Amino acid sequence: DIVMTQSPDSLAVSLGERATINCKSSQSLLSTSNNKNYLVWYQQRPGQPPKLLVYWASTRESGVPDRFSGSGSGTDFTLTISSLQAEDVAVYYCQQYYSPPLTFGQGTKVEI
Amino acid sequence: EVQLVESGGGLVKPGGSLRLSCAASGFTFSDVWTSWVRQAPGKGVEWVGRIKRKTDGGTTDYAAPVKGRFTISRDDSQNMVYLQMNSLKTEDTAVYYCTTDPGTSVKRGFDYWGQGTLVTVSS
Repeated sequence: DIVMTQSPDSLAVSLGERATINCKSSQSLLSTSNNKNYLVWYQQRPGQPPKLLVYWASTRESGVPDRFSGSGSGTDFTLTISSLQAEDVAVYYCQQYYSPPLTFGQGTKVEI
Repeated sequence: EVQLVESGGGLVKPGGSLRLSCAASGFTFSDVWTSWVRQAPGKGVEWVGRIKRKTDGGTTDYAAPVKGRFTISRDDSQNMVYLQMNSLKTEDTAVYYCTTDPGTSVKRGFDYWGQGTLVTVSS
């Protein structure tokens, strides 16, 4: 199974400041057949189901503000919130969909 | 409007069975893969399993903790997906979410989610 490890477990960021979340996979998520990274990011606000933010490691989902960006390739990935807003307080998860079981990271809690 | 509505959760004793249902609307259900994802109280999210669309074989995959005990099925004529859970354990206590995945070369990931249904396994 592919193990997904996020860091940090939690972080506190001031409004308007940058938040950076890291995600590391135990094996490469880069497909040689299509040169795409099988990595997604979700946001889960309290009391809500997760929401898709980014897929293919760096493609923003429709309607997601452009302050959210994903980067990385292979085994190391990053989700950046360029200017934190109050509504961004949530837990963020990375997930690999390279091969089943489709494992999630343990989550990173972002607070103000 | 896309909607996924789970039902069937509740309290069940260890060793018991439960069948969850997920009703889909607002999109062409037969075009997507469907997964179940669970979240134990106060914990992170965990993928349970998925079923692909029929044109991709309708095959299923499961996480190790539920393999052999849980079964996912779909009825495209009713826009429904099901999670049959047998031999339930206390560690299966969680909110269970139904999700969809386009499963295409253009887009992957769980883009729509239901609100979840709570399963509590306790004596």
